[in-house]
Amino acid sequence: DIVMTQSPDSLAVSLGERATIKCKSSQSVLYSSNNKNYVSWFQQKPGQPPKLLIYWASTRESGVPDRFSGSGSGTDFTLTISSLQAEDVAVYYCHQYYTMPRTFGQGTKVEIK
Amino acid sequence: EVQLVESGGGLVKPGGSLRLSCAASGFAFNIYAMTWVRQAPGKGLEWVSTVTASDGSTYYADSVKGRFTISRDNSKNTLYLQMNSLTAEDTALYYCVKQRGDYWGQGTLVTVSS
Repeated sequence: DIVMTQSPDSLAVSLGERATIKCKSSQSVLYSSNNKNYVSWFQQKPGQPPKLLIYWASTRESGVPDRFSGSGSGTDFTLTISSLQAEDVAVYYCHQYYTMPRTFGQGTKVEIK
Repeated sequence: EVQLVESGGGLVKPGGSLRLSCAASGFAFNIYAMTWVRQAPGKGLEWVSTVTASDGSTYYADSVKGRFTISRDNSKNTLYLQMNSLTAEDTALYYCVKQRGDYWGQGTLVTVSS
């Protein structure tokens, strides 16, 4: 199984500052035939289902603010919130859909400092 | 408007069974893979099972293999999860998820307790 390991487990960032979350997969999730990384990022606020933010590692889902960006390739991925807003307080999960079983990272809790 | 509405959760004794349903609307259900993801109280997300659209192939997490069965009825736009031999570790909110995770239901809570 592909293990997705996020870091840190939690972080506190001041409003307007940058938040960076890392995700490392235990094996490459880059499919060479189409050069796509099979990683997505989800945001989950308390009492709500997760919301898709990013897919193919760096493609922003429709309607997601452009302060959210994804990057990385192979085994190392990053979700960046360029200017943290109060409504971004949530838990963020990375997810690989390269192979079965699908797996999620353990989650990173983002709070306001 | 895409909607995924789960039902069928509840309190069940260890060793018991439940059948979850997910009624889908607002999209062409028959052409998308569908997935169940669960979340134990206060914990992270766990992928449970996926059924493809093309040939109905099914995939399961090791933690549920042999106990859970995913199925779909494209004529009713409904996804199912038959859960047998339930244990306390199956206690969770179960979400129905459209193919790439762009739509999730609100979840149905399964509690396994004596």
